[in-house]
Amino acid sequence: AQSVTQLGSHVSVSEGALVLLRCNYSSSVPPYLFWYVQYPNQGLQLLLKYTSAATLVKGINGFEAEFKKSETSFHLTKPSAHMSDAAEYFCAVRANTGNQFYFGTGTSLTVIP
Amino acid sequence: EPEVTQTPSHQVTQMGQEVILRCVPISNHLYFYWYRQILGQKVEFLVSFYNNEISEKSEIFDDQFSVERPDGSNFTLKIRSTKLEDSAMYFCASSDQLGDEQFFGPGTRLTVL
Repeated sequence: AQSVTQLGSHVSVSEGALVLLRCNYSSSVPPYLFWYVQYPNQGLQLLLKYTSAATLVKGINGFEAEFKKSETSFHLTKPSAHMSDAAEYFCAVRANTGNQFYFGTGTSLTVIP
Repeated sequence: EPEVTQTPSHQVTQMGQEVILRCVPISNHLYFYWYRQILGQKVEFLVSFYNNEISEKSEIFDDQFSVERPDGSNFTLKIRSTKLEDSAMYFCASSDQLGDEQFFGPGTRLTVL
């Protein structure tokens, strides 16, 4: 069965610092992986997705993620944090059969001015 | 930009009461989903719906739950007799292709007293 693990339920970074949010997946076959962001009182918005094309995926708002099969990881990064990046971030993997997504527990990002 | 909408944003109900959570998916999408997130826990898949029938459901989606697309725009989740443990944020999502990005609504927070 597929699953994702997000290490760190809370991450704090200074404005302008590197953002690194960790996600490890378990899947017996090459997975479809997603990062979603949730701003307060809003729905989940797709940041980026990996669908077995390029291993480095660029998303919206300057975020990117690299698929590393050897590490079963799909960590989310952004070179320079902005105050507007403060939100909850969810990593998800799509089931190999069917259409359901398996989500991680989420990481709350705080950006310190 | 098209978006998924959900009503109400917050629903409070007494244990044993029936609730209906409503969603309007993106108009040209064909696949519809419900997820829930109990406070502090993972976003969990409940059910997917395609071509006017359930295509997948999780163990959580027992006989107390039902879904319906009563007209061409709404997609509803009904809980027949709510339990305390049904208190959660319920997210509706839709996608236009199998396995593709799912677009999420802002959620309905259900509180069962």
